[in-house]
Amino acid sequence: GAVVSQHPSWVICKSGTSVKIECRSLDFQATTMFWYRQFPKQSLMLMATSNEGSKATYEQGVEKDKFLINHASLTLSTLTVTSAHPEDSSFYICSARGRGAQNTEAFFGQGTRLTVV
Amino acid sequence: KQEVTQIPAALSVPEGENLVLNCSFTDSAIYNLQWFRQDPGKGLTSLLLIQSSQREQTSGRLNASLDKSSGRSTLYIAASQPGDSATYLCAVKVGTNAGKSTFGDGTTLTVKP
Repeated sequence: GAVVSQHPSWVICKSGTSVKIECRSLDFQATTMFWYRQFPKQSLMLMATSNEGSKATYEQGVEKDKFLINHASLTLSTLTVTSAHPEDSSFYICSARGRGAQNTEAFFGQGTRLTVV
Repeated sequence: KQEVTQIPAALSVPEGENLVLNCSFTDSAIYNLQWFRQDPGKGLTSLLLIQSSQREQTSGRLNASLDKSSGRSTLYIAASQPGDSATYLCAVKVGTNAGKSTFGDGTTLTVKP
């Protein structure tokens, strides 16, 4: 299957700082990328959907000014958590889907564990 | 709003047993349903993808079935092994290929040697 790489795998940051997480599709062009958040022992919750070259669509309750998503190229999307607070500590996972109507499967990155102290 | 429920939340079985994980969803107008495996602190690994027009998919010791009318899917694992220990998630996509997926809370499986 296709490979999606997230970086970093884990990050610890101080409260009030910003953190950027990268999601790259290594061997295909990702026209759509999804960002999820997962709290311990809970399901993945979709935060936003981004299509290459356009603004991300955020799910209800997700602050777009706090979670900045950029999808400037067909192989890279970034999620920036601005002014992070301890309650933002979570596991963030991206997935990417390629071009074409037959491309129904999205491939997931390995996730980024964010801890805000 | 689509709701996805997975039962049981946790399951522990001895090695070699066959087992069934359940996933139910409230909106039967699905596009596809996907089963994933998640190891602790890791991302997701796709196991099986069932399109809305399909009834089941098989991969090795795994078999997933889909019954849209009753809003259910099952993941059958044959001859379980300790390496199968993980959390299994089902995700349901509604509408079209561009639709979003809704995940269940997962079933945490422990296979004891």
